[in-house]
Amino acid sequence: ETGVTQSPTHLIKTRGQQVTLRCSSQSGHNTVSWYQQALGQGPQFIFQYYREEENGRGNFPPRFSGLQFPNYSSELNVNALELDDSALYLCASRLGDTQYFGPGTRLTVL
Amino acid sequence: QQQVKQSPQSLIVQKGGISIINCAYENTAFDYFPWYQQFPGKGPALLIAIRPDVSEKKEGRFTISFNKSAKQFSLHIMDSQPGDSATYFCAASNWNNFNKFYFGSGTKLNVKP
Repeated sequence: ETGVTQSPTHLIKTRGQQVTLRCSSQSGHNTVSWYQQALGQGPQFIFQYYREEENGRGNFPPRFSGLQFPNYSSELNVNALELDDSALYLCASRLGDTQYFGPGTRLTVL
Repeated sequence: QQQVKQSPQSLIVQKGGISIINCAYENTAFDYFPWYQQFPGKGPALLIAIRPDVSEKKEGRFTISFNKSAKQFSLHIMDSQPGDSATYFCAASNWNNFNKFYFGSGTKLNVKP
């Protein structure tokens, strides 16, 4: 068990809609990151949050945004969904020198 | 530009054999190199990780070999078992930006019974 949970497990949206994905990690996991994993590829870094502030972003447009809350939960929001946004979205949190990944949310955009 | 290159894309090994997966990186600022195992429908799970101050790290049947001058590292799975069949990802990061991992493209391992 990694102590990182994500919801929902699966989600189907249509192009142009907005989606919110959620992640919860254990106490002490102060840094949370989000990754996008397209089918058959390695995860790609979206952004990370530390103490509720974004402090790093990968090559993703501003329609990908996030929030981190004091209770070690976080959200990934994606606006104006595109077909290419279909992927597994992974949340990861750091404890010590280890980054733990959640099981992911499978997003399908039709 | 792909920061971490992984090979092979797929690998078939007989039970009891040795599985070897290779990765190469470009950025000399990278100082943390983990390997993750991922089963279908699951998130990546940390297998083993190494820092560049050592050339080899072993945990059970899993060994990382690291060549700093060549900017290459590899995962060796000894006595491979059917339960090891999964996709393996190498990754690299910089300690000062620890959570920003650059992943390889993955190797799908199939261990035949």
